[in-house]
Formats: sequence, C-alpha cells, structure tokens
Amino acid sequence: AQTVTQSQPEMSVQEAETVTLSCTYDTSESDYYLFWYKQPPSRQMILVIRQEAYKQQNATENRFSVNFQKAAKSFSLKISDSQLGDAAMYFCAYRSLYSGNTPLVFGKGTRLSVIA
Amino acid sequence: NAGVTQTPKFQVLKTGQSMTLQCAQDMNHEYMSWYRQDPGMGLRLIHYSVGAGITDQGEVPNGYNVSRSTTEDFPLRLLSAAPSQTSVYFCASSYVGGLNTEAFFGQGTRLTVV
Repeated sequence: AQTVTQSQPEMSVQEAETVTLSCTYDTSESDYYLFWYKQPPSRQMILVIRQEAYKQQNATENRFSVNFQKAAKSFSLKISDSQLGDAAMYFCAYRSLYSGNTPLVFGKGTRLSVIA
Repeated sequence: NAGVTQTPKFQVLKTGQSMTLQCAQDMNHEYMSWYRQDPGMGLRLIHYSVGAGITDQGEVPNGYNVSRSTTEDFPLRLLSAAPSQTSVYFCASSYVGGLNTEAFFGQGTRLTVV
C-alpha cells in the first residue's frame, strides 16, 4: 500500500518570503499523480497543484511550484512571496494513475503560519 | 454547477444515536469516497465507491455503512454513534483513473458525539 509522509507538522514564514513544505511517499508503481491540497480555516479542501509522475518538468501554478524527485520519492511544495492568505493546513496526496479503484492517500498535513 | 454538496455542516449526536451524512455530486463522477479528519491524523479513508452498486472499505470502516444506488449520491450512515466518531467528515468525488483524477471535496461535516 502506498504511504505519504509529511515530516513537518508546523511551519512558519514571514510575509513575502519563500517556504518549502516537504513530502515523501512510498510506492512500487511507476505511474501516479501527486497533489498538494490547501485547507484554510474555512475547512474547504482546495487543490493547489498537481504533478504527473511521467512528466519530468516540475509543475508550477503562479507562486506555487513543486520539486518532484521521482527516484527519491520526494514531492516538496515551494510557496514564493508568501501572503497572509497562504496560512492553512497543507496536505500532500498520492493517487495511482491507472488503477481505477484506488483512492487518494493523504499525508498528515503541515500547518503553515504566515507572519506579517 | 454545485460540485459536491454535503449536509449537514454541523451535527451533535448522543452516544448510540444513528444518523446519515448526505453527499451529492453533479459532475457525473464515477468515484466517490468518505474521509474523516482528526487532528494530527490527516484524512483517512472510510469507504469508497467506483460506481452505482459498488462500494468498498477503506482504512477505518468500522461503525460506518454506505450504499451507492445512484451515480450522484453516496450517503454515510453511522449506525450507533460513539464518542470516537467525533471528527470532521469529508465527501469527495472524481473520475475513475485516466488523465483527470483530481478529487473535488464537499465542505465537510463537523460531527460531535457526546
């Protein structure tokens, strides 16, 4: 079974600075998706960024980018120019590409605080 | 387009009571699932379904029941609520496999069992 590990329960960053959240995963599959979800105090789960394992290029979405290291099974999220609205829980998640009945597997989350 | 709709948003139950958390999606997604979120535990899968009439257990299924009679609806039943079931519950839906496996989530239900 796949597992996802987020080793940083809490992180903090100064406004306008850059922060990196870590995620590692364990799988025997070669094709899969990786996701970062943001959960603000409203509780809503919001997709931040997605990476397909077969793509070598790291995904980027505006101020959010990932460092995907497939051999190391590492998938970190970099937030540039941090804003107060970035304060939230961040979850890393894994999903098999081809197996239709496999669910999203989540890490335990990292709580990010943004300091003004 | 409503996406994934969960009801209720908040609920307080007494130990031993039963209730059903409702989940409906209007995106014609085959895959639907229920998670519970507890502090420090992330989201853990309770039950999931890959289509109408098909359900399966996740990581923490005990004390919960599901059925999938239509593509749109996937209710979660608590048969006899226990304080250990105090949690935030999320319903999610997505397509099955392929190139678009993004999951869409409901707004969550905060359940307290006293």
